[in-house]
Amino acid sequence: KQEVTQIPAALSVPEGENLVLNCSFTDSAIYNLQWFRQDPGKGLTSLLLIQSSQREQTSGRLNASLDKSSGRSTLYIAASQPGDSATYLCAVTNAGKSTFGDGTTLTVKP
Amino acid sequence: DTGVSQDPRHKITKRGQNVTFRCDPISEHNRLYWYRQTLGQGPEFLTYFQNEAQLEKSRLLSNRFSAERPKGSFSTLEIQRTEQGDSAMYLCASSLVGISEDTQYFGPGTRLTVL
Repeated sequence: KQEVTQIPAALSVPEGENLVLNCSFTDSAIYNLQWFRQDPGKGLTSLLLIQSSQREQTSGRLNASLDKSSGRSTLYIAASQPGDSATYLCAVTNAGKSTFGDGTTLTVKP
Repeated sequence: DTGVSQDPRHKITKRGQNVTFRCDPISEHNRLYWYRQTLGQGPEFLTYFQNEAQLEKSRLLSNRFSAERPKGSFSTLEIQRTEQGDSAMYLCASSLVGISEDTQYFGPGTRLTVL
């Protein structure tokens, strides 16, 4: 059974700081890994998707890496802003089924 | 492309009643997924469809839960004889398999409260 863990559960940083969120998974047989953002009471917004054959993806200030063999992914956020405050979730997918971590709640203080 | 929509956005019901939720995926997306999310947790997979075929169901999906996707377009999720433990956010997502990267796009969710 796939299990996904995200550490830390919560993170508070001052504006402008670079930060890294971590995601680990137990079964390396994945099709892809996706990072999402969720604002309170809302649905999920896709940030980045990394196919199992890829090592990283970048979008703007975000960079996600994948090390399938060690079961790890990181989401790097550069020059954080208060608008980045949200819960960040990672999900691994195999055979159509996605398993999510419980997320890291990020607070960026002005 | 109007995104994934869900209806209703909120539902309050009494224990023992039946409820039905609807999800309209992004047009031409061939996969549709249902998840359940409780406070402080990540979404839990319930089931998914490829076109009109239901390909997998989680063991979380008891026999009180049923999902359909007639004609491979919108989908409905019905919960019969609701229990207080069914209170959660029910999320729908869709994706296009085979052409794009299979990115899942989520709807805003339906928040269910069972009294």
